[in-house]
Amino acid sequence: ETGVTQTPRHLVMGMTNKKSLKCEQHLGHNAMYWYKQSAKKPLELMFVYSLEERVENNSVPSRFSPECPNSSHLFLHLHTLQPEDSALYLCASSQGGGNEKLFFGSGTQLSVL
Amino acid sequence: GESVGLHLPTLSVQEGDNSIINCAYSNSASDYFIWYKQESGKGPQFIIDIRSNMDKRQGQRVTVLLNKTVKHLSLQIAATQPGDSAVYFCAENPLGDYKLSFGAGTTVTVRA
Repeated sequence: ETGVTQTPRHLVMGMTNKKSLKCEQHLGHNAMYWYKQSAKKPLELMFVYSLEERVENNSVPSRFSPECPNSSHLFLHLHTLQPEDSALYLCASSQGGGNEKLFFGSGTQLSVL
Repeated sequence: GESVGLHLPTLSVQEGDNSIINCAYSNSASDYFIWYKQESGKGPQFIIDIRSNMDKRQGQRVTVLLNKTVKHLSLQIAATQPGDSAVYFCAENPLGDYKLSFGAGTTVTVRA
């Protein structure tokens, strides 16, 4: 158990659906992250929040919308996704501001039909 | 392009032998490096990290070596066990900020 919990573990959605991914960390960390992991590709950073403020938006399409209501919770709202968005979405947290190790959740395996 | 890479996508190791997983990086400004292990159905798990002011760091059964001259990072696993079967990622932080740059991973399979 890493202290970072993601729900749901699996999600299948149509291209017109709206869904949300949830992440919660129990480590008292100040920074939270969304990464995308596709087969045969390196992890791609999507968003970073530090003290509930977004500090990084890595050229992610607007059909992905993050939300960080407090330092323990992070959401990724999904809307009109494409089949190529199918991937494992990983949430992570870290103590503070960069240059330090991340603690990852188990991810949400997303399939877009 | 990708700044961090691994030399081999797969590695097969006999149980009990030592494993060496290699990683090359291209950004000489990187000052922090991490190794992660990812088992099937799980997220990446931190193994060990090293900063650029060191060239070697040891953990439990693992050693990370950093050669800044040739921009090479390696992870050594002693007495490899079946539970070590996983995908191993190296990552670097070239800017000292939030952006860890990950390699594509090496899949390690331990033979009984």
